Amino acid sequence: DAKTTQPPSMDCAEGRAANLPCNHSTISGNEYVYWYRQIHSQGPQYIIHGLKNNETNEMASLIITEDRKSSTLILPHATLRDTAVYYCIVRLYPGKLIFGQGTTLQVKP
Amino acid sequence: NAGVTQTPKFQVLKTGQSMTLQCAQDMNHEYMSWYRQDPGMGLRLIHYSVGAGITDQGEVPNGYNVSRSTTEDFPLRLLSAAPSQTSVYFCASSYSSGELAAGELFFGEGSRLTVL
Repeated sequence: DAKTTQPPSMDCAEGRAANLPCNHSTISGNEYVYWYRQIHSQGPQYIIHGLKNNETNEMASLIITEDRKSSTLILPHATLRDTAVYYCIVRLYPGKLIFGQGTTLQVKP
Repeated sequence: NAGVTQTPKFQVLKTGQSMTLQCAQDMNHEYMSWYRQDPGMGLRLIHYSVGAGITDQGEVPNGYNVSRSTTEDFPLRLLSAAPSQTSVYFCASSYSSGELAAGELFFGEGSRLTVL
């Protein structure tokens, strides 16, 4: 499985866009990029995933570079409830996801 | 539709005791897996299953057994509990349509285990 690198922490002002980067330079052609988040001690929550094209859903947008070696999760209008640990994961199967340390996003008023 | 249900939510064990953490899903998911999360750490994969009768080890399988006799259930057994197994345990499941399946992983609410 490709290894991912994320900054350990980031701050974002409430109402502004939060842009969370992820490097996955060893990603292979069939591996998907997944994003999850974990609020406090709850179970992780799926946000979005993609293969090659940019993706958008009601929660966020996922921008994947053309060479697929990095991606950015965008929360367009961050709220205090978006404060969480965000995990970027690269994997072939959705079930065998390996979680790293993630990025702790702190949304500030 | 209850999703992924874990029981118990809280459990205290003494060293050497055995117990089973239950996980059930009602979404007809092929993939099921168990993770543990220690304080301040990310999730680590213990065991996973790609279908009934098939299980495999994850990152930290020692001290844990699993079985998958039905699609719905994936119990995690601690044979002889140790203080190092004090953690929060999460069960997760996902639908799969093949090797290149992609989709979200549904997590349970977690089971908090303390081993004294």
